[in-house]
Amino acid sequence: GDSVTQMEGPVTLSEEAFLTINCTYTATGYPSLFWYVQYPGEGLQLLLKATKADDKGSNKGFEATYRKETTSFHLEKGSVQVSDSAVYFCALSAGSGNTGKLIFGQGTTLQVKP
Amino acid sequence: GAVVSQHPSRVICKSGTSVKIECRSLDFQATTMFWYRQFPKKSLMLMATSNEGSKATYEQGVEKDKFLINHASLTLSTLTVTSAHPEDSSFYICSASRGGAGGELFFGEGSRLTVL
Repeated sequence: GDSVTQMEGPVTLSEEAFLTINCTYTATGYPSLFWYVQYPGEGLQLLLKATKADDKGSNKGFEATYRKETTSFHLEKGSVQVSDSAVYFCALSAGSGNTGKLIFGQGTTLQVKP
Repeated sequence: GAVVSQHPSRVICKSGTSVKIECRSLDFQATTMFWYRQFPKKSLMLMATSNEGSKATYEQGVEKDKFLINHASLTLSTLTVTSAHPEDSSFYICSASRGGAGGELFFGEGSRLTVL
């Protein structure tokens, strides 16, 4: 079945460091891919998404490119801030148009130190 | 952005009792809501899809008689954990779709259930 695998956390970085959180997926067909973020005490929020191969999603300095050939959707940011500390979830939506049935990775905790 | 609220955020109950968790879309109507369960250091697992005015659709392996879902209005879905046991202790998260089943999802803050 469809699945998402994220790199193990926690990831601890100093402020202004470069961030990469790896995400790979297994799916039949052509899923849409998402990154969600969960800040402490809050619900999940959509960070960015890509709906087809080679699309790049970007938001708040984060970006991820849908790579069909490597079945990956790695999250990157050039310079992290303390306020980026959160749990990041990679997810896919299988089936056309139905973004509700999301399959999530296990989440990666990011801690940014000043 | 749109707001989805869950209540209660934390609940502790005795084994054998039932617990109800509410999920409300505060500023939009949601014909479709989803319930997820999250175990520690595990991904979110979709439990069921809740459609206003009709029966919920449960994912394989989820006991529908144990996890009762009612989507009575366009802004409220409830999850009732019946005859709770310690293994039901978990973090339950709802999401609501603005714009039908294919719309963007907005997530609640989650409800942590502890069954003693």
